[in-house]
Amino acid sequence: DQQVKQNSPSLSVQEGRISILNCDYTNSMFDYFLWYKKYPAEGPTFLISISSIKDKNEDGRFTVFLNKSAKHLSLHIVPSQPGDSAVYFCAVISSGSARQLTFGSGTQLTVLP
Amino acid sequence: DSGVTQTPKHLITATGQRVTLRCSPRSGDLSVYWYQQSLDQGLQFLIQYYNGEERAKGNILERFSAQQFPDLHSELNLSSLELGDSALYFCASSATTGDLADTQYFGPGTRLTVL
Repeated sequence: DQQVKQNSPSLSVQEGRISILNCDYTNSMFDYFLWYKKYPAEGPTFLISISSIKDKNEDGRFTVFLNKSAKHLSLHIVPSQPGDSAVYFCAVISSGSARQLTFGSGTQLTVLP
Repeated sequence: DSGVTQTPKHLITATGQRVTLRCSPRSGDLSVYWYQQSLDQGLQFLIQYYNGEERAKGNILERFSAQQFPDLHSELNLSSLELGDSALYFCASSATTGDLADTQYFGPGTRLTVL
């Protein structure tokens, strides 16, 4: 049973436009949410995170939105650049003493010049 | 370059064998994390060590074990290997509190192929 779902395996966006990557989760016990980016033949790179007490966090061109009632997380990239083409993973961390880190399956973003 | 090093880069072995993957964290980082990325399972958190002690455990099989040494490098031991263990194994490290939410820096990975 997947607790974290990225339902779009791929997304193509024109350079300069907004990229919106989505992630849905099932467990309301998750209290911290992260996005990672991964280029081929490299390890993932941390992008941005948000705790469950917030609904928005911005860092430059990247903004993460958290909708707790819908159990939905999204990453907005504005403006998109060709160098943003990569696989994007959302990840969630469960609260409590036995904390767990669970990743989504990833979305391949392609930014077209 | 994240500053995390992993050796070897590639490893090819046979079913039933045992292998050891090595990870050197960034200088000063106390936490080391291990992940498996396979084609059908995506990226899975295996285990975390903080300053030599196991801190968090994910979906790590009993055939797998890890340890962190006093110099903070870590090793992931995979035994009785099966075809399905073929995957990319990533190590990451972090500096702050040892919590899973700390920013993690990933190494380039070790590609394991089990024939």
